[in-house]
Amino acid sequence: ILNVEQSPQSLHVQEGDSTNFTCSFPSSNFYALHWYRWETAKSPEALFVMTLNGDEKKKGRISATLNTKEGYSYLYIKGSQPEDSATYLCAFLWFTGGGNKLTFGTGTQLKVEL
Amino acid sequence: ETGVTQTPRHLVMGMTNKKSLKCEQHLGHNAMYWYKQSAKKPLELMFVYNFKEQTENNSVPSRFSPECPNSSHLFLHLHTLQPEDSALYLCASSQSGTAGEQYFGPGTRLTVT
Repeated sequence: ILNVEQSPQSLHVQEGDSTNFTCSFPSSNFYALHWYRWETAKSPEALFVMTLNGDEKKKGRISATLNTKEGYSYLYIKGSQPEDSATYLCAFLWFTGGGNKLTFGTGTQLKVEL
Repeated sequence: ETGVTQTPRHLVMGMTNKKSLKCEQHLGHNAMYWYKQSAKKPLELMFVYNFKEQTENNSVPSRFSPECPNSSHLFLHLHTLQPEDSALYLCASSQSGTAGEQYFGPGTRLTVT
């Protein structure tokens, strides 16, 4: 059984705070790690696809790092805004040769308050 | 606009009913997926279709029956469901054979009474 763990489970921060979340996954047979953002009443949307150890990706105020040898990824949000409020999911990608198979963590629910 | 649509958005059905969920993707992808999101649980993969062929069934009970007539359409046929099957059902698509992201639909909120 593959375990993808995310912490913390939820987080309340003030506008302007910077924050980070953790995703841990098995360090063997790594293929890729995805980060998704899921706003209430919307579809999950991909933030990053990370494939190489040491990868660092950035999109605006959000960035992510990857350590495949120790099996973790961090997601950072700089200067949080209310519109960043969402659930952030990481997912470990298995490549089965017949379509990709994602195993998701339970997510980190972020609430940014004014 | 994600390019993946799902209907209906909400469904209430009795345990003896038969209903179907529909998913359509307009992204030219050749892999499609069904996921289940139950309260307090991670998104759980149910089925994977690759070029219309089922390549993954994640030990899903037979009361859930998927159908993929072509690479753009995916159905989930439901019959004799249980109240514990109440959940959000999400469809997704991706380009097969790559590490690329999956694109999700808005989901169908299913309630079994």
